[in-house]
Amino acid sequence: GENVEQHPSTLSVQEGDSAVIKCTYSDSASNYFPWYKQELGKRPQLIIDIRSNVGEKKDQRIAVTLNKTAKHFSLHITETQPEDSAVYFCAARYVGDNDMRFGAGTRLTVKP
Amino acid sequence: DADVTQTPRNRITKTGKRIMLECSQTKGHDRMYWYRQDPGLGLQLIYYSFDVKDINKGEISDGYSVSRQAQAKFSLSLESAIPNQTALYFCATSDRTSGGARYNEQFFGPGTRLTVL
Repeated sequence: GENVEQHPSTLSVQEGDSAVIKCTYSDSASNYFPWYKQELGKRPQLIIDIRSNVGEKKDQRIAVTLNKTAKHFSLHITETQPEDSAVYFCAARYVGDNDMRFGAGTRLTVKP
Repeated sequence: DADVTQTPRNRITKTGKRIMLECSQTKGHDRMYWYRQDPGLGLQLIYYSFDVKDINKGEISDGYSVSRQAQAKFSLSLESAIPNQTALYFCATSDRTSGGARYNEQFFGPGTRLTVL
């Protein structure tokens, strides 16, 4: 089955700086890569996703890049704000499957 | 998301007790999932169901069972709870159709915090 590794486990940045979280996956057949954000005490919510037929996707201050050859994908947050503080999870799966595997999470802290 | 609800929200129980966690959804989604969240381990899939007659094991199904009583309801049972099943449990739903930019987005319930003493 798929195995997803996520780094770093914790990340602290100053407000206004950029944050980058990286994930690697093991199954070359995986072709769907979502990112979820979980604020303290709340449920995870999808913030952005990418399919393997594109290399990059942007949505305002967040972007995801995918390198299929190296089997890794990254979340980029620019101009970070305190409300970006949360745990971020990457995930990977094959579109034809429903067994989605999550990374262990990255706790991002944005210091004002 | 108020469309996915879980009961109870918190539960403390003793080793050996049978526990059932309930999940209900009003989204009309056909797919439902149960995840377990432990600190530093992310979200681990326990079971998932595509429709009422379909049950599939996830990566950590041992010690758990599920029941899909209706399209809108998916229950998780711990037949004989043990302390290492202490965790935060999330139910999630998704739609079969791909439509739009957010393919097969999973919508999570608020979570059930279970403590097994």
